[in-house]
Amino acid sequence: DQQVKQNSPSLSVQEGRISILNCDYTNSMFDYFLWYKKYPAEGPTFLISISSIKDKNEDGRFTVFLNKSAKHLSLHIVPSQPGDSAVYFCAASGGGEPSGGTSYGKLTFGQGTILTVHP
Amino acid sequence: DGGITQSPKYLFRKEGQNVTLSCEQNLNHDAMYWYRQDPGQGLRLIYYSQIVNDFQKGDIAEGYSVSREKKESFPLTVTSAQKNPTAFYLCASSGEAYNSPLHFGNGTRLTVT
Repeated sequence: DQQVKQNSPSLSVQEGRISILNCDYTNSMFDYFLWYKKYPAEGPTFLISISSIKDKNEDGRFTVFLNKSAKHLSLHIVPSQPGDSAVYFCAASGGGEPSGGTSYGKLTFGQGTILTVHP
Repeated sequence: DGGITQSPKYLFRKEGQNVTLSCEQNLNHDAMYWYRQDPGQGLRLIYYSQIVNDFQKGDIAEGYSVSREKKESFPLTVTSAQKNPTAFYLCASSGEAYNSPLHFGNGTRLTVT
């Protein structure tokens, strides 16, 4: 049962344009969502997060939007740069844990989307 | 320069052998985790530990074992009971703050033939 899904395995974007990566979830108990970026043969690095009490969080070129009614979140990268080319994972936490949150690191990850930004 | 060190980067073993993957952190984090990544799949939690001498099973613990004798170290043993051990293994840690993000090591790619 895939509780977090990234339905697009890959996305190709021209440098300078917007990249939009999408993620859907099924567990309504999730209360915190994160995006990680991963280069080949390296560990993922944290990018941006959002709590379920918000619908938008922005950090520089990266903005995450959360639509709780649709159980959908998206990551916008504007403008996209070639160095953004990587695999992007969305992740969710909560799900009814006693204390919830990533302090327990029990994240549920999506399958990942490979972003390629062309010069 | 704080971080998480996983060694070795590549590991090859024969089927039927146990193998231990190392994970060390100098971030002074209490919590540590092991995730597994397979092609086309997200990361799946194997085991996690919130404090020394305590650990819990994650979603796919069968065929794996861990220990947490020191705060800095959380080794993972892949036993011969693990049916599909070939994968990319990632160790992570997190601080105490609510919803503090995971910090990952660079992973160990294990190939069992």
